Amino acid sequence: EIVMTQSPATLSVSPGERATLSCRASQSVSSNLAWYQQKPGQAPRLLIYGASTRATGIPARFSGSGSGTEFTLTISSLQSEDFAVYYCQQYNNWPRCTFGQGTKLEIK
Amino acid sequence: EVQLVESGGGLVKPGGSLRLSCAASGFTFSSYSMNWVRQAPGKGLEWVSSISSSSSYIYYADSVKGRFTISRDNAKNSLYLQMNSLRAEDTAVYYCARGAAMDYYFDYWGQGTLVTVSS
Repeated sequence: EIVMTQSPATLSVSPGERATLSCRASQSVSSNLAWYQQKPGQAPRLLIYGASTRATGIPARFSGSGSGTEFTLTISSLQSEDFAVYYCQQYNNWPRCTFGQGTKLEIK
Repeated sequence: EVQLVESGGGLVKPGGSLRLSCAASGFTFSSYSMNWVRQAPGKGLEWVSSISSSSSYIYYADSVKGRFTISRDNAKNSLYLQMNSLRAEDTAVYYCARGAAMDYYFDYWGQGTLVTVSS
């Protein structure tokens, strides 16, 4: 099983600042990496797929980068609605896709 | 607008059974693979099962293999998950999620249905 490790577990950032979230795979997943946002009581929402492609309707302040085993989700200027939990998912090893444990982005 | 609406969750005793449903609308259901993903209370996401558009390919996580059965009815635009021999560790919110076209991430999710396994 490919283990996805996200860091940090919690990230405190002020509105308007930049947030950088990391995701590491235990072995290469090429660019088969997605990012999801989940707010309390809501379903996850797809943000990024293919490591760097924004999903439909996702604002440009969200960007993804990386390949192989190291990936980054960057939110360039945090808005109030961006405070949530973020998960990465590898789908290179389909059907054995796996998720990271999540990073909680909280208001500083 | 893509909509996925789960139903069928509830409280069940260990060893019991439950059948979840997911009603899909706003897209051509028969053209997409469909999935179940669960989230235990306060925990992360765990992929449970997947079914291809024509039901030709079906996959399960090791944690549910032999106990859960995924199925779909393309005429009714519906996805199902039959859960048998339920355990306390199956307690979770179960999400129905659409598989992306020609790829394996999940582009739309339902709001989830809570399954609680407890005596």
